[in-house]
Amino acid sequence: AQTVTQSQPEMSVQEAETVTLSCTYDTSESNYYLFWYKQPPSRQMILVIRQEAYKQQNATENRFSVNFQKAAKSFSLKISDSQLGDTAMYFCAFMNSGTYKYIFGTGTRLKVLA
Amino acid sequence: NAGVTQTPKFQVLKTGQSMTLQCAQDMNHNSMYWYRQDPGMGLRLIYYSASEGTTDKGEVPNGYNVSRLNKREFSLRLESAAPSQTSVYFCASRKTSGGAGDTQYFGPGTRLTVL
Repeated sequence: AQTVTQSQPEMSVQEAETVTLSCTYDTSESNYYLFWYKQPPSRQMILVIRQEAYKQQNATENRFSVNFQKAAKSFSLKISDSQLGDTAMYFCAFMNSGTYKYIFGTGTRLKVLA
Repeated sequence: NAGVTQTPKFQVLKTGQSMTLQCAQDMNHNSMYWYRQDPGMGLRLIYYSASEGTTDKGEVPNGYNVSRLNKREFSLRLESAAPSQTSVYFCASRKTSGGAGDTQYFGPGTRLTVL
């Protein structure tokens, strides 16, 4: 069975600094997708970034980028120039292309300090 | 274009009562999902519907039933609510084909408390 592990329950970062959230996963599949979702206090789940496993190039979306290490089954999220609005829970998620079911990690609570 | 909508936003039930959570999407997506979110446990899949007319169990289906009424609507029913079902419930939908067909889009959630 696939699993997703986020080993950092809570993190904090100073405004304008860079922070990296870690995520590891376990699967025997070769074709899958990985995601980072943000959940601010409003509770809405917002897609931050996605990565296709067959692509070697790391995905980037403005200040957000990932470090995808397929062999190590690692998928970390880097937030550059952190802003107060980045304060939220961040969830890593895995989707198997065969079943189309998502598996979520337990989340990392990020606080950006002024 | 409202995306994914859920009703109600909040609900308090007594043990043994029944209720239905409603979900609708206007993005013409094929697949729809129901999750529950509990503190420290992330989101866990309750049921999903790959397409209109089909449903399948997820990780935690016990105590729930679902209905895919049409392509737009996917409801979740609690027949006899229990305190263990106190949670935040999210509905999501996914396109399933074309660019970004793997990406789920979420509703705003329903906070359910069972006393």
